[in-house]
Amino acid sequence: AQSVTQLGSHVSVSEGALVLLRCNYSSSVPPYLFWYVQYPNQGLQLLLKYTTGATLVKGINGFEAEFKKSETSFHLTKPSAHMSDAAEYFCAVSEARKTSYDKVIFGPGTSLSVIP
Amino acid sequence: DGGITQSPKYLFRKEGQNVTLSCEQNLNHDAMYWYRQDPGQGLRLIYYSQIVNDFQKGDIAEGYSVSREKKESFPLTVTSAQKNPTAFYLCASSIGQTINQPQHFGDGTRLSIL
Repeated sequence: AQSVTQLGSHVSVSEGALVLLRCNYSSSVPPYLFWYVQYPNQGLQLLLKYTTGATLVKGINGFEAEFKKSETSFHLTKPSAHMSDAAEYFCAVSEARKTSYDKVIFGPGTSLSVIP
Repeated sequence: DGGITQSPKYLFRKEGQNVTLSCEQNLNHDAMYWYRQDPGQGLRLIYYSQIVNDFQKGDIAEGYSVSREKKESFPLTVTSAQKNPTAFYLCASSIGQTINQPQHFGDGTRLSIL
């Protein structure tokens, strides 16, 4: 069955430090993978997505993620954290299903704090 | 600018009362979704609609109802049968039912019990 795990419900980094948010998935077929960001009391915004092709995906606000099939991972990184990066981050996976809704599964989220 | 509008932002429900959350989109998207968000649990799908006049139950549909009479609108009713309705509700839409398309989200409605 499809699932998404995000290691660490809360991550703290210093301003200017590397941001690494972990995402592992399980899928019976090649997945499509997404990272979303949520600021307090707002909806989710797409950061980046992997569908096919290049495994290193660049997104908005300087974030990028690398799809590693052998590790079933899609970790999110940013070289230098900014105060405005403080938010909740969600990894999501979707897969095609021939007989039902092409379901999207969201991970439980990781809350990122940035320390000045 | 195109987007999704959810209203109200905050809503309070009394015991035995049904309440309706509004969701309107001007993105011309065919597919629309309702999610429930609880702390530490991510998003759980309540209902989805792929086309006007059609909708399907998601993972936690009990105690909720929806309608899709217009392409732009997908209101969610939280009925009195939903015994634990306190949560943040998110509406989303996407271009058709293609899995490589991201979902676009509204800013949510926070529902609380009086």
